[in-house]
Amino acid sequence: NAGVTQTPKFQVLKTGQSMTLQCAQDMNHNSMYWYRQDPGMGLRLIYYSASEGTTDKGEVPNGYNVSRLNKREFSLRLESAAPSQTSVYFCASRGDGDSGNTIYFGEGSWLTVV
Amino acid sequence: QKEVEQNSGPLSVPEGAIASLNCTYSDRVSQSFFWYRQYSGKSPELIMSIYSNGDKEDGRFTAQLNKASQYVSLLIRDSQPSDSATYLCAVDPGGGFKTIFGAGTRLFVKA
Repeated sequence: NAGVTQTPKFQVLKTGQSMTLQCAQDMNHNSMYWYRQDPGMGLRLIYYSASEGTTDKGEVPNGYNVSRLNKREFSLRLESAAPSQTSVYFCASRGDGDSGNTIYFGEGSWLTVV
Repeated sequence: QKEVEQNSGPLSVPEGAIASLNCTYSDRVSQSFFWYRQYSGKSPELIMSIYSNGDKEDGRFTAQLNKASQYVSLLIRDSQPSDSATYLCAVDPGGGFKTIFGAGTRLFVKA
């Protein structure tokens, strides 16, 4: 059971470089999320998508863009990476109503910007 | 004020004791509340969800919700060293799917 798959798992970027974090879920969930996690800060919501074709800003959207490519895939792009974006990034998905409100997380992507 | 607040801890309890974790939230219309556990270097996993005022029990875990006080808690009975982890409270503000997490409380259970 794949669940939520995100790539890459580890990445080192130079300041100013761009990259895209990929995420896919195979649970037919409508809602998908991107969070970042920093020491002492917990999980902070970057962007979320309540359904295919919609995206909304979370708590910390600056410096990021997202694309909900289809129901399965939700990507996160850093256009010009900054050291402040060094973090662990988690993609997640969530079912609706009777299918449960559990958020399922990917394994995380460790990003370092130097 | 953060939307979801937790005491960062660490909270240290002896094995076999009850661990009590607390969380407050700011949005009065929030409808869904969750507790997640996260081991170091791993992704969070759901322990409990609660939607109505009162207590909800699942094994050694009890979630308590008081919407009037905007307060949700998690009790862990008969704490085990394997319960040592960070516990994250999560809330859906406004009744939607924009799930916001607290900063988490680190729990240490001493053998």
